[in-house]
Amino acid sequence: DTEVTQTPKHLVMGMTNKKSLKCEQHMGHRAMYWYKQKAKKPPELMFVYSYEKLSINESVPSRFSPECPNSSLLNLHLHALQPEDSALYLCASSSTFTGRGAYNEQFFGPGTRLTVL
Amino acid sequence: GIQVEQSPPDLILQEGANSTLRCNFSDSVNNLQWFHQNPWGQLINLFYIPSGTKQNGRLSATTVATERYSLLYISSSQTTDSGVYFCAVEGGTNAGKSTFGDGTTLTVKP
Repeated sequence: DTEVTQTPKHLVMGMTNKKSLKCEQHMGHRAMYWYKQKAKKPPELMFVYSYEKLSINESVPSRFSPECPNSSLLNLHLHALQPEDSALYLCASSSTFTGRGAYNEQFFGPGTRLTVL
Repeated sequence: GIQVEQSPPDLILQEGANSTLRCNFSDSVNNLQWFHQNPWGQLINLFYIPSGTKQNGRLSATTVATERYSLLYISSSQTTDSGVYFCAVEGGTNAGKSTFGDGTTLTVKP
């Protein structure tokens, strides 16, 4: 099973709302990722969790708050977003998170299309 | 950080034609993947290929790590091959941090 699932598929929220994006994988992977993708642009890395600990934070604004409750789940909590945060949010997982020689193929979920009004 | 350049940015083909997509990168890499993003946004794994050559049906890929480039070959293209093709690399000094190229947008016409 090489599936990563994400919910919801679509989300519309106001600037004062609080919402959460969810990601789940059952491949036994120990690294999970959040990416943001604007229209006609490549995905940009936001956060990386390795063994349920935050390993990389790409200077993302604090209105985005990641959480990794266990090795299979990854959440992204959203609060006080701006219209420019509207994008496709992609979750990915990989078996490990180490350097040269390590097998680190990433598998992506279908994404959540977020619109901030 | 590592720079990734993909070419061409856009490609229009007639069904049945062959094509070659290129990915250049500026530093040594631990990992390199090719993805196809379909119109619904799903990133589909094509190849995990930090070095060497792989083939999967009509698709094949070659990475020459010492010369810092990778090629994706599509033969006998079909309309379902349309979409955006991304190369993503993980640089030698940035474990876990993948950088994507800007992609090649492929349109296959019937």
